[in-house]
Amino acid sequence: DVKVTQSSRYLVKRTGEKVFLECVQDMDHENMFWYRQDPGLGLRLIYFSYDVKMKEKGDIPEGYSVSREKKERFSLILESASTNQTSMYLCASSLRAGQSTDTQYFGPGTRLTVL
Amino acid sequence: GQQLNQSPQSMFIQEGEDVSMNCTSSSIFNTWLWYKQDPGEGPVLLIALYKAGELTSNGRLTAQFGITRKDSFLNISASIPSDVGIYFCAGDRADGLTFGKGTHLIIQP
Repeated sequence: DVKVTQSSRYLVKRTGEKVFLECVQDMDHENMFWYRQDPGLGLRLIYFSYDVKMKEKGDIPEGYSVSREKKERFSLILESASTNQTSMYLCASSLRAGQSTDTQYFGPGTRLTVL
Repeated sequence: GQQLNQSPQSMFIQEGEDVSMNCTSSSIFNTWLWYKQDPGEGPVLLIALYKAGELTSNGRLTAQFGITRKDSFLNISASIPSDVGIYFCAGDRADGLTFGKGTHLIIQP
């Protein structure tokens, strides 16, 4: 079975702090994704990566950056957390880059609260 | 960007009833996916559809990929309490998935 894990289930941070959210997948998937989920807005793509050291902006990249130094790990970074970044963050992975029929598998999510 | 319209937004049903929800788009998708999300968890894939017109079942769940490639529906037969959750449709694009906003299913015993 595909396993996608996220480093924290719940996080509470203060405005202005630098926040790291970590995601690890154990199935040698090429693609990895970060989404945020908010009531009434559904899931929105922040960034994705189709290879080590490669990254592409999604629909809402502002205020975020990412890092993919190893194939299995994709990190989301909030350089200076703000209250409007309070959300549920979901990581996903899929097998092959550029395959339109490739299914994404999700981690359990990190619920981030910024005070 | 591409938009998916998912309906209904929420459903209150009695245990044992059948459920039907759908997604429509103005854009064509190559793949339709249906996910379920339990409270506090990430979405879990239920059914994947890869061909226009395809009808696929997974236990009590049945989903179809519309012939125009712009819509899909999900049916749940004989609902049970553990079916409670939020159901999302998703259409693929090369740089990720576009998600519907979800159908919140609530089952009254």
